[in-house]
Amino acid sequence: EVQLVESGGDLVQPGGSLRLSCAASGFTFRSYWMNWVRQAPGKGLEWVANIKQDGSEKYYVDSVKGRFTISRDNAKKSLYLEMKSLRVDDTAVYFCARDGQQLGGGAFDVWGPGTMVTVSS
Amino acid sequence: SYELTQPPSVSVSPGQTASITCSGDELGHKYIYWYHQKPGQSPVLVIYQDNKRPPGIPERFSGSNAGNTATLTISGTQALDDADYYCQAWHSSTVVFGGGTKLTVL
Repeated sequence: EVQLVESGGDLVQPGGSLRLSCAASGFTFRSYWMNWVRQAPGKGLEWVANIKQDGSEKYYVDSVKGRFTISRDNAKKSLYLEMKSLRVDDTAVYFCARDGQQLGGGAFDVWGPGTMVTVSS
Repeated sequence: SYELTQPPSVSVSPGQTASITCSGDELGHKYIYWYHQKPGQSPVLVIYQDNKRPPGIPERFSGSNAGNTATLTISGTQALDDADYYCQAWHSSTVVFGGGTKLTVL
């Protein structure tokens, strides 16, 4: 079964750091672009970052540039999001999502259940 | 930055056709993707590349995209279609989501 499972969400103080992980199974992880998408409580979806199959290209939404770093370990079939200088408005459920290349690329065809990050004092 | 605009809410009676729009500058020149999301669940892709359905998505879901507006159409709407719907596009190697539309089937 194709599956993504996020972990690492927690309650953290403003200015703190956190590392999220996403474990992939059931597909050839190294063949896919991967993404992080977040959703603040009661709000819509916001794309955060993505990374190319070999990690050579990474892109970020402006609001997290310089604070968040996306990375991957293809041997461990894992995606990561290192978050620093966290702010209250980073509070959200963080989803990892696969870019479905078999659909021509660009569509997020597999999503994890999400992990909650709460930034509060 | 690029923006996608959706109506906050749409209502439809069971069995009728629901249309949800997504607007953006020259949107017709980009591919549009649609997702639905029920409370407490992860989003599910329902349309990709403007008008294609992924495996397992019912035929009642269809899409179009031209000019500045893309439209998701749900024919013969069912109670289980009651959900939030998001459009998505790519702009300069980054991803943009619309603000979402709450579809109420009543």
